[in-house]
Amino acid sequence: EDQVTQSPEALRLQEGESSSLNCSYTVSGLRGLFWYRQDPGKGPEFLFTLYSAGEEKEKERLKATLTKKESFLHITAPKPEDSATYLCAVQAAYSGNTGKLIFGQGTTLQVKP
Amino acid sequence: ETGVTQTPRHLVMGMTNKKSLKCEQHLGHNAMYWYKQSAKKPLELMFVYSLEERVENNSVPSRFSPECPNSSHLFLHLHTLQPEDSALYLCASSQGRVAYNEQFFGPGTRLTVL
Repeated sequence: EDQVTQSPEALRLQEGESSSLNCSYTVSGLRGLFWYRQDPGKGPEFLFTLYSAGEEKEKERLKATLTKKESFLHITAPKPEDSATYLCAVQAAYSGNTGKLIFGQGTTLQVKP
Repeated sequence: ETGVTQTPRHLVMGMTNKKSLKCEQHLGHNAMYWYKQSAKKPLELMFVYSLEERVENNSVPSRFSPECPNSSHLFLHLHTLQPEDSALYLCASSQGRVAYNEQFFGPGTRLTVL
């Protein structure tokens, strides 16, 4: 069964304290892995798409990496405005033209000043 | 208006009511999606429309009925819901029939069923 597991469930950091969020996945042929950010009361906001092992993408203080079994979202010197829930999702090769995404439960990040 | 919009933002309904959720995308995309987000559970895909044709119905009860009159608009018609249907309902859109492309989400409708 296809599955996405994110850890930790919650993470508290001090401003400037770098860390990583993990997304482990089991899927029958990966088409793509997606990272989203979700603020309370809002819809998810797209961050990155990764397609193959070894790929990396960066945006401001965020860097996403991908291996054959997991992805990491590295947060360098976070600021309070980085506080949010970070969602990971995978799209399987068999999803055809449905675009179906399988989401993890998310990691809720709190950055304290 | 930009991006993906959803109305209403909040909805409270009784179990015998009939209501509809509306989604509109201003991105020129041709695929639209309904997701359900319940507390402590991952986002669950409900329906997918590609070029106004339903291509996925993810085992959703018939009390939820989607409608896609054109590539910019998507509705979710609700009737005789149960309290466990209370959740955040999210609409998303993407470009491309074979969706390698990222999905862009609206702000959601917070639904409470009494």
